[in-house]
Amino acid sequence: DAKTTQPNSMESNEEEPVHLPCNHSTISGTDYIHWYRQLPSQGPEYVIHGLTSNVNNRMASLAIAEDRKSSTLILHRATLRDAAVYYCILRSYNQGGKLIFGQGTELSVKP
Amino acid sequence: EAGVAQSPRYKIIEKRQSVAFWCNPISGHATLYWYQQILGQGPKLLIQFQNNGVVDDSQLPKDRFSAERLKGVDSTLKIQPAKLEDSAVYLCASSSLQTSGRGIQNEQFFGPGTRLTVL
Repeated sequence: DAKTTQPNSMESNEEEPVHLPCNHSTISGTDYIHWYRQLPSQGPEYVIHGLTSNVNNRMASLAIAEDRKSSTLILHRATLRDAAVYYCILRSYNQGGKLIFGQGTELSVKP
Repeated sequence: EAGVAQSPRYKIIEKRQSVAFWCNPISGHATLYWYQQILGQGPKLLIQFQNNGVVDDSQLPKDRFSAERLKGVDSTLKIQPAKLEDSAVYLCASSSLQTSGRGIQNEQFFGPGTRLTVL
């Protein structure tokens, strides 16, 4: 299974943008890049996903490098409610779509 | 729209006892997943159902864990007998997943989980 590498933790100030990096140098052509986040004492929730092009939705933006070996999740204005563990996951449509979670990045947001 | 329901939310048992968890997925979702999340780690997939058939149970410790999804809706996960290392949060998720082709990037919706403590 392709693996991702994320920093263990990051800190941000409220109302500032946050860039969460993810390295996936062994990504294959069938892998989509997914991001989920897990708020304290809750199950994970979907944030965004993409294949090659940058993606935007109401929660975040996903910037994917041209060689697809890295990506960045962008929260445009962090709020206290964005404090969570963020998981970058490679999901292959050849593997029944299962999610393989790594350690994730724990984001803390300071007021 | 109601989310994924799980019960109980918390359970404390002694080692060698048995325990069962219940999950009710989002209505209409054909695919159901059970994950185990040990403290400080990301969730690990235990088993995936498509309707009432098993798609992937490669990570399920079958000597003590079992799961079923009767009628393709609700599901139960059982541990018998429990060990200390089974202490974890057990998460259920569902999706309207297609198992073939590129149309399988549908998001998974997770329940709140059941926190199991084995003493």
